[in-house]
Parts: sequence; structure tokens; C-alpha cells
Amino acid sequence: AQSVAQPEDQVNVAEGNPLTVKCTYSVSGNPYLFWYVQYPNRGLQFLLKYITGDNLVKGSYGFEAEFNKSQTSFHLKKPSALVSDSALYFCAVRDMIRQAGTALIFGKGTTLSVSS
Amino acid sequence: ETGVTQSPTHLIKTRGQQVTLRCSSQSGHNTVSWYQQALGQGPQFIFQYYREEENGRGNFPPRFSGLQFPNYSSELNVNALELDDSALYLCASSGRTGDYSGNTIYFGEGSWLTVV
Repeated sequence: AQSVAQPEDQVNVAEGNPLTVKCTYSVSGNPYLFWYVQYPNRGLQFLLKYITGDNLVKGSYGFEAEFNKSQTSFHLKKPSALVSDSALYFCAVRDMIRQAGTALIFGKGTTLSVSS
Repeated sequence: ETGVTQSPTHLIKTRGQQVTLRCSSQSGHNTVSWYQQALGQGPQFIFQYYREEENGRGNFPPRFSGLQFPNYSSELNVNALELDDSALYLCASSGRTGDYSGNTIYFGEGSWLTVV
């Protein structure tokens, strides 16, 4: 079965420190992977995606993610966290079974809390 | 701002009623999809519309239906509302999609539906 796992419900980090939000996936074939961020009572904002190519993907607001095929992971990273990064982060993978290019399977989300 | 606009932002309905939610896709995007995000959960794919036809559906019953118009805007209709339908409904749009497109998917701010 296709799935996305975000093993941490919450990640706490001090401002200025590096942050990692973990994601693992399970799909058949080559995955299309995405990270989105959601601020309270708002929609989803696109951060970055991996389709093919370089395993290190750079995205918006200084975020990057590393695709690791052998570990089926796509962890989100940022070298120096900001208080304004505090939000809910979702990892998603394209549903490769449904014939719909916009069908994503989301993880349950990880709340990032950055303290000053 | 993603350019995906949704209305209304909030609404309250009574169990058994019907509701229509509306979405305008980002300029140039011809594919629209709808997601349901229950409290504390990741979004779940409802269906996708491309060229005014539904061409992909998640695990939602037929009382969830939709339309896409020639200008690519879309409606989500839910009949016979149940309490569990209370959620944030997100509209997403993307450029021309194939079956397994790598196009970025942009989300709107969502419509909060409360069923009492």
C-alpha cells in the first residue's frame, strides 16, 4: 500500500539551530515527493518537490530536502531555524495508482516549534 | 499567495443538508482537485477534474460530487451532510497534467465546514 509516514508529531528546536523534519514513504516505482507548510487556520503552502535528478532539493524560505532512495526517505532540513518557521509541515507523495496527476498522499503532519 | 481562491471561508450546515463550495484555479491551470482535511489530520484526496470531467477519485462516497467549468473554476458539492464531514476543504490547482505529472500543485486557503 502507498503511504507516507512522519514519525514525529512535534519537533522542537532553538532559533539559529539546524532543523530536520523526517519523512519516509512507500510507493511503487520512482516517487514524486513534496513538502508543504500550513500556518494556523490557513491553506497549504508549497515548499519544494523532488521529481528526478539531484537528491538535494532546494526550496522556499531556505528549506531543502534530501531524497534517499535506499532509505525511502525525504527529510526536510534548514541550516538555521527562525521563530517564524513555527508551523505544521506535511510531506506528500504522488499517488501512482490513481490516474490523476494531482492526487497526493499526505502524512499526518509534524508541528515545528522554534523557540527564541 | 497561490492564486487559488475559495469561497466561502467558513460555513455552518445542519446534518442532512447540502453544501456547495467554490474554487477559482490559478491563472493558466486547467486541473483542479479537492481535498478534505479533518482536524489533526493530513489532507485526503477527494477527486480531480480535468477538461470538465472527473478523472480520478479518492475513497469518498458518491454524495461527494463536483463540477469544473470552461474557465477551469470548480465546485464541490456534498449531499446529505454528516457530522464527520466537518473539516477544512482545500482546493488545489495545477497546470496540464498527465497521469503522473511532476507539476507543482498549489492550494487555496480552504473552506471551513462545520456540520451540526
